[in-house]
Amino acid sequence: GENVEQHPSTLSVQEGDSAVIKCTYSDSASNYFPWYKQELGKRPQLIIDIRSNVGEKKDQRIAVTLNKTAKHFSLHITETQPEDSAVYFCAASMDNAGNMLTFGGGTRLMVKP
Amino acid sequence: DAGITQSPRHKVTETGTPVTLRCHQTENHRYMYWYRQDPGHGLRLIHYSYGVKDTDKGEVSDGYSVSRSKTEDFLLTLESATSSQTSVYFCAISDKGTGGPNGYTFGSGTRLTVV
Repeated sequence: GENVEQHPSTLSVQEGDSAVIKCTYSDSASNYFPWYKQELGKRPQLIIDIRSNVGEKKDQRIAVTLNKTAKHFSLHITETQPEDSAVYFCAASMDNAGNMLTFGGGTRLMVKP
Repeated sequence: DAGITQSPRHKVTETGTPVTLRCHQTENHRYMYWYRQDPGHGLRLIHYSYGVKDTDKGEVSDGYSVSRSKTEDFLLTLESATSSQTSVYFCAISDKGTGGPNGYTFGSGTRLTVV
């Protein structure tokens, strides 16, 4: 089955700096890669996703890049703000009906004001 | 409201007792999932359902069973709770295997402590 590794497990940045979280996956058939943000005590929520026919996707201050050859994808957050502090999860799956997500171990991002 | 609710939100139970967690959705989504969240392990799939009475095992299914007798309800049962099942349990729904435009929608979670 699919295995997703996520690094780093914790990341501390100064407000205004950029943050990068990296994930690798094992199943070359995976073609859907979402990112979830989980604030303390809350449910995970989808913030951005990318499919394998796209190399990069951007939504305001967040962007995701995908390298299918190397089987890795990354989340980039620019101009970080204290409200970006949360746990971020990457995930991977084949984007077909019935296929479920395999999640990485999570990254705790702390943005210091 | 996200259209998905979990109950109870918190539960403390004794080792060896059966426990049932409930997930209820109002979105009429086909797919429902149970995950557990533990530090360092992210979210791991326990069981999932792709329709009424259609369920299958996930990565960490040992010690758990599920039932889905109606589209809106997905029950997770710990037959005989153990301390290793102390965790936060999340239910998720989607209208497609990996979720349509909005991906998975998660419930608020159930914090289960087995003493």
